[in-house]
Amino acid sequence: DSGVTQTPKHLITATGQRVTLRCSPRSGDLSVYWYQQSLDQGLQFLIQYYNGEERAKGNILERFSAQQFPDLHSELNLSSLELGDSALYFCASSEDGKNSPLHFGNGTRLTVT
Amino acid sequence: GQNIDQPTEMTATEGAIVQINCTYQTSGFNGLFWYQQHAGEAPTFLSYNVLDGLEEKGRFSSFLSRSKGYSYLLLKELQMKDSASYLCAVSPNDYKLSFGAGTTVTVRA
Repeated sequence: DSGVTQTPKHLITATGQRVTLRCSPRSGDLSVYWYQQSLDQGLQFLIQYYNGEERAKGNILERFSAQQFPDLHSELNLSSLELGDSALYFCASSEDGKNSPLHFGNGTRLTVT
Repeated sequence: GQNIDQPTEMTATEGAIVQINCTYQTSGFNGLFWYQQHAGEAPTFLSYNVLDGLEEKGRFSSFLSRSKGYSYLLLKELQMKDSASYLCAVSPNDYKLSFGAGTTVTVRA
């Protein structure tokens, strides 16, 4: 158990809809990362937060947004969903977001129909 | 930006040794991570290299050469449970921690 909690585990929704994925980091970790992994694809970096502030942004679509709250949990919002957004979305946390290893949650599997 | 290259697939026999290479080009360098990911599961941390040289951890070792932009992960005494994808990740100055596409290792009996 990595100590990182992601909910929900599975999500099935229709095109055009909006969903929110939730992540609670490991106790003591200040940094949260979001990654997208499509079928047979590598992990694509979406965004990183550190202690409530956005620190780095990857190739995240404008339809996607995220935030980290004062209690350090994070949410990833995906809107106007398309079939191509179907993927496994991982949240990871680390102590300092730079030199410390990432600990991954079990992911949210999103299916857009 | 970053560019991280790993071989796509490797196959080895149980009990053997396999070396997974990773080459990278990055804007600034703070360290290199190796992760293991079984199909459909979350990646798990294996090793972290920030200085040149070899880091050994049981059956797994990782090597780094910063001047060459090169690392490898060495898996010794392969077991069936080692069949997985192995991901190389580089921590750059811009905090955009990117992963290579992964190397799928298949261990045969």
